[in-house]
Amino acid sequence: DTAVSQTPKYLVTQMGNDKSIKCEQNLGHDTMYWYKQDSKKFLKIMFSYNNKELIINETVPNRFSPKSPDKAHLNLHINSLELGDSAVYFCASSQRTGFWDTQYFGPGTRLTVL
Amino acid sequence: KQEVTQIPAALSVPEGENLVLNCSFTDSAIYNLQWFRQDPGKGLTSLLLIQSSQREQTSGRLNASLDKSSGRSTLYIAASQPGDSATYLCAVRFHNNAGNMLTFGGGTRLMVKP
Repeated sequence: DTAVSQTPKYLVTQMGNDKSIKCEQNLGHDTMYWYKQDSKKFLKIMFSYNNKELIINETVPNRFSPKSPDKAHLNLHINSLELGDSAVYFCASSQRTGFWDTQYFGPGTRLTVL
Repeated sequence: KQEVTQIPAALSVPEGENLVLNCSFTDSAIYNLQWFRQDPGKGLTSLLLIQSSQREQTSGRLNASLDKSSGRSTLYIAASQPGDSATYLCAVRFHNNAGNMLTFGGGTRLMVKP
């Protein structure tokens, strides 16, 4: 009965490849997010997605694109992977985008680019 | 630039000790502040959420305070236990962050020794 789940847990790939990370939430939430945690453990927001409205952190390269087939899923596609993309990626969800809404996090996907 | 800073970066204490973790933020125009716990290889668990109008929140042995005007929050852990060992992250919702986005500090890695 995991609230926010991600697959895969680990992903090792070569530079230049295209890969996807999947995220699913069974909480009935309207809003989902992707965060990146780098090697120094800093967590930074990448995207916020609510009812087809995508809000992007302007520092995110356009090689990264979120795709939402339905309200319960927000997948992260990464094109032309680079060494600097190696990090742990966390998915999260919240009831809405209200500032009072607590975000619930998935377990993370550790991406290693060789 | 809106930033969140946590000091110390790491802390080691003997079991039973009371301790304080610090968080500071550069802009007092915030909606709220949230403390999370992150265990190795796992996602984030929300501990406490303090709205900008509140001064503190308590949950069990945890007490979080907020001084918005000075840009500071503290997380007080009473009677620490080895099970409290984890990384504690402070996150702020600044007023001009669209989409309920959180800005995270770098975390404090806590080790409680038996």
